[in-house]
Amino acid sequence: SQKIEQNSEALNIQEGKTATLTCNYTNYSPAYLQWYRQDPGRGPVFLLLIRENEKEKRKERLKVTFDTTLKQSLFHITASQPADSATYLCALDASGGSYIPTFGRGTSLIVHP
Amino acid sequence: DSGVTQTPKHLITATGQRVTLRCSPRSGDLSVYWYQQSLDQGLQFLIQYYNGEERAKGNILERFSAQQFPDLHSELNLSSLELGDSALYFCASSVGPSVETQYFGPGTRLLVL
Repeated sequence: SQKIEQNSEALNIQEGKTATLTCNYTNYSPAYLQWYRQDPGRGPVFLLLIRENEKEKRKERLKVTFDTTLKQSLFHITASQPADSATYLCALDASGGSYIPTFGRGTSLIVHP
Repeated sequence: DSGVTQTPKHLITATGQRVTLRCSPRSGDLSVYWYQQSLDQGLQFLIQYYNGEERAKGNILERFSAQQFPDLHSELNLSSLELGDSALYFCASSVGPSVETQYFGPGTRLLVL
């Protein structure tokens, strides 16, 4: 069956360090992958989209990589700040361009001052 | 503020009842998506409408139905409610039919007692 895996354990890091979150998927051939930020009790906020033919995408302190061979995306936040503390969700479209978005369960990031 | 509005913010009802959740997309967005988020299931895609027509269907129960009106607002109807329907319900919108960039609303928290 199709599956998206994100580390269920919270990632704790010190302010100023780089946070790296992982999204693995199986049995998908996504055309693109997205990363969202979600704060408790609030709706997800779109951060970045990376397409299957792109290796890397950057936006300010954020960087996303996409390895379709490994079926993995890495999400990096450089110079992390306590305000970056949130849950980060990866999402992709289901196989075959069916336009059904599928989300991972998310990884909680806690940045300590 | 994403520009997507949802009402009501909170809803408390009893098992067996029926409720209607309302969503207004961002100005100019033609697609509306509905999601359910519970602690044990994560963010689950329910259904998408594009310019008034159903475009994609996810794991939406038969007790649930939705529609998008000519003014592009959407309603999600939940009937014969069960305890397990308690969750956060999010609406999202995008400009076109693709899920590439979605803007989420603040959600409706439904509690079924």
